[in-house]
Amino acid sequence: GENVEQHPSTLSVQEGDSAVIKCTYSDSASNYFPWYKQELGKRPQLIIDIRSNVGEKKDQRIAVTLNKTAKHFSLHITETQPEDSAVYFCAASSRSSNTGKLIFGQGTTLQVKP
Amino acid sequence: NAGVTQTPKFQVLKTGQSMTLQCAQDMNHEYMSWYRQDPGMGLRLIHYSVGAGITDQGEVPNGYNVSRSTTEDFPLRLLSAAPSQTSVYFCASSYSNMINSPLHFGNGTRLTVT
Repeated sequence: GENVEQHPSTLSVQEGDSAVIKCTYSDSASNYFPWYKQELGKRPQLIIDIRSNVGEKKDQRIAVTLNKTAKHFSLHITETQPEDSAVYFCAASSRSSNTGKLIFGQGTTLQVKP
Repeated sequence: NAGVTQTPKFQVLKTGQSMTLQCAQDMNHEYMSWYRQDPGMGLRLIHYSVGAGITDQGEVPNGYNVSRSTTEDFPLRLLSAAPSQTSVYFCASSYSNMINSPLHFGNGTRLTVT
């Protein structure tokens, strides 16, 4: 089955710097790669996702890149702000009609220092 | 719309007791799933369902049962609780298990087994 590895487990940056979180996956059939943000005591919420036919996707200060050959994808946050502090999870899934398993990485705790 | 509703929010059980964690969604979502969140382990898939009457195992199904008799409800049953099941449990749903439908999470149930 699918296995997702996420690094680093913790990341501390100064406000205004960039942050990069990387994930690798094992199942070459995976075709959907979302990223979730979880603030302290809250539920995870989708911030951005990418499909296997796209190499990069941007939404304001966040972007995700995908390298299908190497089976890894990354989250990039530019101009970080204190409100970006949270736990970030990557996930991978071959979300066809027969499966639908969304497997998550271990999470990265991002701390943005003012 | 209430979204995904989980009850209870908190629960303390003694080893060997049984209980059911409730999950309901009012978005007419076909796909529903249960995850557990433990420190450093990310979100691990317990069971999932792609529609009423259909369930399947995730990464860590042992000790848990599920059923999906209606589209709206997806209860998670612990038949004989163990301390290893102390965790935060999240129910999540999406319109379908295809890649265009993001996962919506409930607010979680914090379970402690003593």
